[in-house]
Amino acid sequence: GNSVTQMEGPVTLSEEAFLTINCTYTATGYPSLFWYVQYPGEGLQLLLKATKADDKGSNKGFEATYRKETTSFHLEKGSVQVSDSAVYFCALSLPYGQNFVFGPGTRLSVLP
Amino acid sequence: NAGVMQNPRHLVRRRGQEARLRCSPMKGHSHVYWYRQLPEEGLKFMVYLQKENIIDESGMPKERFSAEFPKEGPSILRIQQVVRGDSAAYFCASSPDNSNQPQHFGDGTRLSIL
Repeated sequence: GNSVTQMEGPVTLSEEAFLTINCTYTATGYPSLFWYVQYPGEGLQLLLKATKADDKGSNKGFEATYRKETTSFHLEKGSVQVSDSAVYFCALSLPYGQNFVFGPGTRLSVLP
Repeated sequence: NAGVMQNPRHLVRRRGQEARLRCSPMKGHSHVYWYRQLPEEGLKFMVYLQKENIIDESGMPKERFSAEFPKEGPSILRIQQVVRGDSAAYFCASSPDNSNQPQHFGDGTRLSIL
């Protein structure tokens, strides 16, 4: 079946620290990969995406590279800010009527 | 989350009552998805609908829960005879088609059962 695994949180960092949130997937077929972010009391917002191997998605200083050989899509940011505190979800989708599969989410807290 | 509108934002019901949650997808989107999120947990897929059709309801409980997406008007998630365990945030997402396009989410309805 299709599944997404993320590193367990919570992750607590100091401002300006380097961030990595690991994500690996299992999929039958060739998925597109996504990172979503959820701020408190809000819905999920698309952060970045990649649709094929070696694609790099980037947005707001966050990056993730689609690694087919390791079935991974790790999220990175060079210098986190307090405003990055949120829950981050890795997700995959397959075409033709399949719904999204979300990881369990990783809570990030950034301290000033 | 501009575009996908969910209402109400908060809904309080007593055990045994009915809850109706509404979702208007983004303009031009004909695919709607419902998810449930329990406190401190991830999203659980419930149901995927296109206009007037249920495509995948594998995540929806067989009893008390139903969903529709009529030709006109919003998608409705209906929970009959609610119980305490139904307390959660329910999110709706929409997409223009089913070809790996990102889903766009609403801000959710937080359902509390007294």
